Amino acid sequence: GAVVSQHPSRVICKSGTSVKIECRSLDFQATTMFWYRQFPKQSLMLMATSNEGSKATYEQGVEKDKFLINHASLTLSTLTVTSAHPEDSSFYICSASGTTPSYEQYFGPGTRLTVT
Amino acid sequence: QQQVKQSPQSLIVQKGGISIINCAYENTAFDYFPWYQQFPGKGPALLIAIRPDVSEKKEGRFTISFNKSAKQFSLHIMDSQPGDSATYFCAARRDSNYQLIWGAGTKLIIKP
Repeated sequence: GAVVSQHPSRVICKSGTSVKIECRSLDFQATTMFWYRQFPKQSLMLMATSNEGSKATYEQGVEKDKFLINHASLTLSTLTVTSAHPEDSSFYICSASGTTPSYEQYFGPGTRLTVT
Repeated sequence: QQQVKQSPQSLIVQKGGISIINCAYENTAFDYFPWYQQFPGKGPALLIAIRPDVSEKKEGRFTISFNKSAKQFSLHIMDSQPGDSATYFCAARRDSNYQLIWGAGTKLIIKP
């Protein structure tokens, strides 16, 4: 149980375009979802936390107008990178947490974004 | 005070040996300490976790040792195998809060 999927696994886009990444909890209801960014050989950096039906809470330094997060249902959250630039190239990972076990985060497989 | 310090940054162990990764924390309010395993190009996966009411937890070849007074915890991988080669992250959080505070990670290589 507690499977989280992400789509796409890899995406290449041109500078200036927008790209959407989906995160789904497959077998549980995710009341809270998280989006992380990971640079090569570094730890995970939390970008934002979202609760279903509410606006996301962004971490300090993360541009909310650039990284749009929507958590429209208990099984789906999306991250849209708007007007992407090469510096947005990174590995994006989502995680989801339901009500049991309390506060445990289950991670998706990640999405590799390359902006050319 | 929110930091979790992890060492070493990288580790090479012979097959069959014991791999040991250490973490230290400052915030005594933390009460949940998970370890995650991450393979290249994949998301992290929960490996094993411990709460401060016990000093050791073992699951198969993986053991967490926890020293509350020293504010340190470590991951031991017994009989290390090439398939254990991955990056390992320790983390900490309060049991009443989602937010994970991550260590910097340890790249483990098991040599055949």
